[in-house]
Amino acid sequence: QVQLQESGPGLVKPSETLSLTCTVSGYSISSGYYWNWIRQPPGKGLEWIGSVYHSGSTYYNPSLKSRVTISVDTSKNQFSLKLSSVTAADTAVYYCARPGIAAASTYFDYWGQGTLVTVSS
Amino acid sequence: QSALTQPRSVSGSPGQSVTISCTGTSSDVGGYNYVSWYQQHPGKVPKLMIYDVSKRPSGVPVRFSGSKSGNTASLTISGLQAEDEADYYCCSYAGSYVVFGGGTKLTVL
Repeated sequence: QVQLQESGPGLVKPSETLSLTCTVSGYSISSGYYWNWIRQPPGKGLEWIGSVYHSGSTYYNPSLKSRVTISVDTSKNQFSLKLSSVTAADTAVYYCARPGIAAASTYFDYWGQGTLVTVSS
Repeated sequence: QSALTQPRSVSGSPGQSVTISCTGTSSDVGGYNYVSWYQQHPGKVPKLMIYDVSKRPSGVPVRFSGSKSGNTASLTISGLQAEDEADYYCCSYAGSYVVFGGGTKLTVL
């Protein structure tokens, strides 16, 4: 059974960089799939942030692309999110997720539990 | 890219049917048969209900169904039950990115 778990600071100061890690168990990242980050501001809808392939190739939400970096560490079976120059608008529950098929992020059937990141001084 | 358009809220009585629409463009909903739907109860993780427009994952009741016409996808829930009350989000693959709808709150009266 594939399991994903987000980890990282729950509080980040404005203008700093948000950093989160997703640890995958039950499946080797090296075996394939695009690994995704999705976020949800309190009381609002879901927003796709981006994805990374095990090879390191990435896709990003055009609206966040200038501030986002997603990377993968196959030796630790983890992938990570960095979001720079954060503001209060980046306060959200951040989820990591795996799609149902290996070739593309067409739907998401495995999700982490989510981690709330608050941007505040 | 813009978020897919969903009604803010829909409602129905137990046993009735409701349909939630999801309107995009030819670059997302209309361009691919990769629309998915997620159910989210308060404080919970989104749950996949429909994928590839109309396919149901194992364990999802048959009263949940999906369809698409042009740039608009729909989720229909028949035989409404109290536990169906939740937020529903549509999602579409769009080639180099993924886009979600703004969400619809379903109230079971």
